[in-house]
Amino acid sequence: QKEVEQDPGPLSVPEGAIVSLNCTYSNSAFQYFMWYRQYSRKGPELLMYTYSSGNKEDGRFTAQVDKSSKYISLFIRDSQPSDSATYLCAMSAGNTGKLIFGQGTTLQVKP
Amino acid sequence: DTAVSQTPKYLVTQMGNDKSIKCEQNLGHDTMYWYKQDSKKFLKIMFSYNNKELIINETVPNRFSPKSPDKAHLNLHINSLELGDSAVYFCASSPTGGGAETQYFGPGTRLLVL
Repeated sequence: QKEVEQDPGPLSVPEGAIVSLNCTYSNSAFQYFMWYRQYSRKGPELLMYTYSSGNKEDGRFTAQVDKSSKYISLFIRDSQPSDSATYLCAMSAGNTGKLIFGQGTTLQVKP
Repeated sequence: DTAVSQTPKYLVTQMGNDKSIKCEQNLGHDTMYWYKQDSKKFLKIMFSYNNKELIINETVPNRFSPKSPDKAHLNLHINSLELGDSAVYFCASSPTGGGAETQYFGPGTRLLVL
């Protein structure tokens, strides 16, 4: 079993929909939680970062961490065609910079 | 003004060959990483260097050898290439290598072993 599980999709939604992306994990030592976005044939780029449990909002994006359930989510409101990409959750336990990534969920937002 | 750059972008080679991928960052970061992304988009860390010192060395065949001539460069040499080495290899960097830091990724090198 992988340390971080993420449904690869693909997920297809109409423009304007609310999108929910999720990851579960098994390592209770994880304390830094991130979402990276990767456009086709590009490198990943950081979208959201959360430390420990709680919510964080940035524009149309909200990241949630529930450490008791070992579950993290990314919500995208009013989704746009430009949000079409692969979304990778990533987690880190300590201070070595070792990120453990989920498999990534491919999202397509149709106009 | 590219932050993290990699060369080459594409690499097509025969099984058994030796090849190198180069990475450079101009962000002034101390830490650099190599990741492998397979055909299912699964991204896995291979190595990290902090100021030329090896920090992370995951379970990777010893045919893969990283080299950091200075903190702005991290190269990856692969000996005796195998079909299973076909993947996209990403270089990344971060300020000091802490777990909370943003990692900045390069554009990737697409390696195809025939």
